[in-house]
Amino acid sequence: AQTIHQWPVAEIKAVGSPLSLGCTIKGKSSPNLYWYWQATGGTLQQLFYSITVGQVESVVQLNLSASRPKDDQFILSTEKLLLSHSGFYLCAWSQGALAEQFFGPGTRLTVL
Amino acid sequence: GDSVTQTEGPVTVSESESLIINCTYSATSIAYPNLFWYVRYPGEGLQLLLKVITAGQKGSSRGFEATYNKETTSFHLQKASVQESDSAVYYCALGEGMGYKLTFGTGTSLLVDP
Repeated sequence: AQTIHQWPVAEIKAVGSPLSLGCTIKGKSSPNLYWYWQATGGTLQQLFYSITVGQVESVVQLNLSASRPKDDQFILSTEKLLLSHSGFYLCAWSQGALAEQFFGPGTRLTVL
Repeated sequence: GDSVTQTEGPVTVSESESLIINCTYSATSIAYPNLFWYVRYPGEGLQLLLKVITAGQKGSSRGFEATYNKETTSFHLQKASVQESDSAVYYCALGEGMGYKLTFGTGTSLLVDP
C-alpha cells in the first residue's frame, strides 16, 4: 500500500527565516508529485508539480521553490519567509495525467 | 483560468434529511475536465470521495452521488439521507491536463445534527 508522509506536522517561524517542508511517498514508483497551499479561509491552490526526478514546474509564484531530489521525495523551501506564507501545505501524488490525486496529512505553517 | 464555485458553508442538515451541495465549474484549457469530490473529515486528511471522467456519467461512493453535466457545467453532490458521520468539509475540484492541475472550490462545511 502507498503511504505519504509529510514533515513537520506543524511549524512556527519568524518572518525572514528559512523554511523547508518535506514529503515522502512510499510504495509507488515514479509518481507525479504536487505541492498545494491553503491560506486560512482560502482555497487550495496548486503551487508546483513534478513528473520526474530533478524536474519541477511552478504553477503559482509565491516566493517559494520546490525540488525533487529523489523519486519518492518532494521538498518545498524558501530562504525568507513572509507573513503571507502562513497556511496549510499539502503534498499529493498521482499515477499519470488526469488521475486522482492522493494527499498527505499536511503541514500547518504559522509565520509571525 | 479554470474555476470552481460551490455552495458556501457552513451547511447544517438534520440526520436522515437529504443533502445537495452545488458545484459549477468553468474550464478554459480542456473541454471535458475530470471532476472530483474530495472530503476532509475532522482530524483527518483530504481524501477522494468520488470522481467522474466522462460527461453524462454518475459517480457514487458512501451513499453520495454526483452527475457530470456538461450542458450546465455542474457536478452537484447529493445524498438521500445524511448521517452524523458525514459531517466534514467537502471540496469540488476539476482536473485539467497541463500540469495535472486540480482546481478546487472553496469547500463546503457540512454539519449534520443528530
